Amino acid sequence: DQQVKQNSPSLSVQEGRISILNCDYTNSMFDYFLWYKKYPAEGPTFLISISSIKDKNEDGRFTVFLNKSAKHLSLHIVPSQPGDSAVYFCAASAGNTGNQFYFGTGTSLTVIP
Amino acid sequence: NAGVMQNPRHLVRRRGQEARLRCSPMKGHSHVYWYRQLPEEGLKFMVYLQKENIIDESGMPKERFSAEFPKEGPSILRIQQVVRGDSAAYFCASSPSQDGLTGYTFGSGTRLTVV
Repeated sequence: DQQVKQNSPSLSVQEGRISILNCDYTNSMFDYFLWYKKYPAEGPTFLISISSIKDKNEDGRFTVFLNKSAKHLSLHIVPSQPGDSAVYFCAASAGNTGNQFYFGTGTSLTVIP
Repeated sequence: NAGVMQNPRHLVRRRGQEARLRCSPMKGHSHVYWYRQLPEEGLKFMVYLQKENIIDESGMPKERFSAEFPKEGPSILRIQQVVRGDSAAYFCASSPSQDGLTGYTFGSGTRLTVV
């Protein structure tokens, strides 16, 4: 049972434009959400997080938006750079203990120079 | 400052053999997590350990899988009598606390292939 879903397996964007990666979840108990970035043959790298008390969190070129009523979050990358090409995973957990995160299946982003 | 170290990077085992995957957390991190990524799937939680204690093993298969994090040395994920379906990438992560919002630091993974 996939509680966190990333329905777009891949996305291609022109350098300098905005990349929008989407994530949906089914468990209304989830209240912490993270985005990870993964290059081939490496482990995932933490990118940005948001708790359910917020609807937006920004860190440089990366912004995460949370719509609790729709159980949807998105990651915006502006402007996109070729080095952003990677697989992006969203993850969610219930409670802030970090014990167990549920990961989506990932979206492979390609930024075209 | 070394990150999370996992070894081996690649491991090939025949069906029925044992696989031992090792994870050394980042310095100062006492919380270790193991995740598994099957082909075409996301990472799935397996187990969460602190030194000498298993805190949450709700994601571990009931048989053949075990994990430990001894007082000294790395965390070990052990798979006995491996089967083809165990072929996956196994990632270890560590964190300094239970604060989920800081995220984990992941290792580069061990890719297990069962032939």
